[in-house]
Amino acid sequence: AQTVTQSQPEMSVQEAETVTLSCTYDTSESDYYLFWYKQPPSRQMILVIRQEAYKQQNATENRFSVNFQKAAKSFSLKISDSQLGDAAMYFCAYISNFGNEKLTFGTGTRLTIIP
Amino acid sequence: DAGITQSPRHKVTETGTPVTLRCHQTENHRYMYWYRQDPGHGLRLIHYSYGVKDTDKGEVSDGYSVSRSKTEDFLLTLESATSSQTSVYFCAISDSRQGNTEAFFGQGTRLTVV
Repeated sequence: AQTVTQSQPEMSVQEAETVTLSCTYDTSESDYYLFWYKQPPSRQMILVIRQEAYKQQNATENRFSVNFQKAAKSFSLKISDSQLGDAAMYFCAYISNFGNEKLTFGTGTRLTIIP
Repeated sequence: DAGITQSPRHKVTETGTPVTLRCHQTENHRYMYWYRQDPGHGLRLIHYSYGVKDTDKGEVSDGYSVSRSKTEDFLLTLESATSSQTSVYFCAISDSRQGNTEAFFGQGTRLTVV
């Protein structure tokens, strides 16, 4: 069974600084997707970034980028130039791209932005 | 925004009563999921469906049942609600056949069992 682990329940960063959120996962599959979702106080789940496992290039979306280490099964999120609007819960998630598309989440990291 | 709605958005019910939550999608996505979200636990999978009448259990399925009689609707039933089932429930959909795989979420249902 796939598992996703986020070992940082809470993180904080000064506004305009850079922060990295950690995520590790366990799977025996080779074809899958990894995601980072953001959940602000509104409870809405917002896709931040997506990584396809067979793509070696790390995904980037504006100030958000990932460090995907497939062999180490590590998928960290880097937020550059942190803004007050980045304050939220961040969830790492995994989904297989073969057969059973069971979507599995980590326990989340609460990110606080310090003005 | 993806067409996925949950109903009701809020519900208060008494211990021992059955409760049904509805998830409706207009995206024709194959997979539908029910999660519960509790502090410190993230989103835990209750049940999911990979097609009409095709469902499977997640990690916290005890006390819950689901049904999917048509592609667009996925129902979650608490057979006899308990206080431990007080939570926020999310429905999600996904389908790798749609191109770039991504999960879309409903707005969530806050359920309180008193």
